[in-house]
Amino acid sequence: DIQMTQSPASLSASLGETISIECRASEDIYSNLAWYQQKSGKSPQLLIYAANRLQDGVPSRFSGSGSGTQYSLKISGMQPEDEGDYFCLQGSKFPTFGGGTKLELK
Amino acid sequence: QVQLKETGPGLVQPTQTLSITCTVSGFSLTSYYMQWVRQTPGKGLEWMGFIRSGGSTEYNSEFKSRLSISRDTSKNQVFLKMNSLKTEDTGVYYCAREEVYYGSYYFDYWGQGVMVTVSS
Repeated sequence: DIQMTQSPASLSASLGETISIECRASEDIYSNLAWYQQKSGKSPQLLIYAANRLQDGVPSRFSGSGSGTQYSLKISGMQPEDEGDYFCLQGSKFPTFGGGTKLELK
Repeated sequence: QVQLKETGPGLVQPTQTLSITCTVSGFSLTSYYMQWVRQTPGKGLEWMGFIRSGGSTEYNSEFKSRLSISRDTSKNQVFLKMNSLKTEDTGVYYCAREEVYYGSYYFDYWGQGVMVTVSS
């Protein structure tokens, strides 16, 4: 199984701050990486797929990058509505998720 | 529009069998893989298994011996059955649709989830 190591586990950001969340795969996943936002009591919402493709309707302050085993999600200008949990998902082999990052507004 | 909704029991006794139905609309089960994912306090998000558009299945080895996924395309429903439940199986169970973009696989739509508590 491919292991996904996500960091940091938690993050506090000020309004307008730019933040990054990382996911590292235990082997090359060939950009087969998606990012999700999950708010309390809700199901995950797709933000980014194929490492850097923005899902329709997602604000452009979200962006994804990376290749091989290293990937990142960037939020350029933290907004109050961005608070929540963020997860990565690799789809290269049987799916596996990162451990999650809890993002809070400072 | 695409919608997925899980229905199932809120409470299941240990050693019993969990049955959850995912009812979909806005697309055909014969065109998409359907996934099952759960979220537990102990392990976070875990992929459980999927059923292909053609009807064959694959399971996470963690659940393989006690998990079954099936579907009824005429009713637009996908089913999860898991036996020998333990308290550690307590969590939220989701169905999700798998999409593909140039060989990159991801889950684009998720159901609202169903909370399952395993307790006597």
